[in-house]
Amino acid sequence: AQKITQTQPGMFVQEKEAVTLDCTYDTSDPSYGLFWYKQPSSGEMIFLIYQGSYDQQNATEGRYSLNFQKARKSANLVISASQLGDSAMYFCAMREIIRTGANSKLTFGKGITLSVRP
Amino acid sequence: GAGVSQTPSNKVTEKGKYVELRCDPISGHTALYWYRQSLGQGPEFLIYFQGTGAADDSGLPNDRFFAVRPEGSVSTLKIQRTERGDSAVYLCASSASATRRGGGSGANVLTFGAGSRLTVL
Repeated sequence: AQKITQTQPGMFVQEKEAVTLDCTYDTSDPSYGLFWYKQPSSGEMIFLIYQGSYDQQNATEGRYSLNFQKARKSANLVISASQLGDSAMYFCAMREIIRTGANSKLTFGKGITLSVRP
Repeated sequence: GAGVSQTPSNKVTEKGKYVELRCDPISGHTALYWYRQSLGQGPEFLIYFQGTGAADDSGLPNDRFFAVRPEGSVSTLKIQRTERGDSAVYLCASSASATRRGGGSGANVLTFGAGSRLTVL
């Protein structure tokens, strides 16, 4: 069964600095997708970045990049040049593609709270 | 519509009552998902529809929970005999179906609605 682990306590970062949010996962499926979502206090889940298990390069989307280490089963999110608006909960999620299909559910971790200090 | 719409945004009910939560997905999205999120936790999967049929209902906690999507668009999550433990935010998401080519198989992004906060007194 797939499992996502996010164990960091609340994270704090100074505005304009970079921060790494950790995510490890467990799956026996050889093909899977990894997602990061942001949930501000308003409650809406916002998609940030995607990494496929067979992608040769780490995904990047603007200030977001994913440090994908397949052998270690980790998919850490790196946010560069933090902004006050980055303060939110961040969730790592995974989809098992072969076992459950390309449109199947995402399984989420418990999330990490990030607070950006001015 | 432009985004995923969920109604009501807030629902307060008494223990034992019946509740319906509605989700209107993004136009053209064939996949629709229901999640439940308790305070301080990640979203917990309930059920996923592909078109009109439930492709995966393994997350429904018990037979008090039921969901339908009769015309392959709007979906309703139904909770019978509500209990205090059902209090949570119920999130709906939709996505376009994956195609065989391009986009990276499995990359289908779920777009979430704002959620329906259910409080059972």
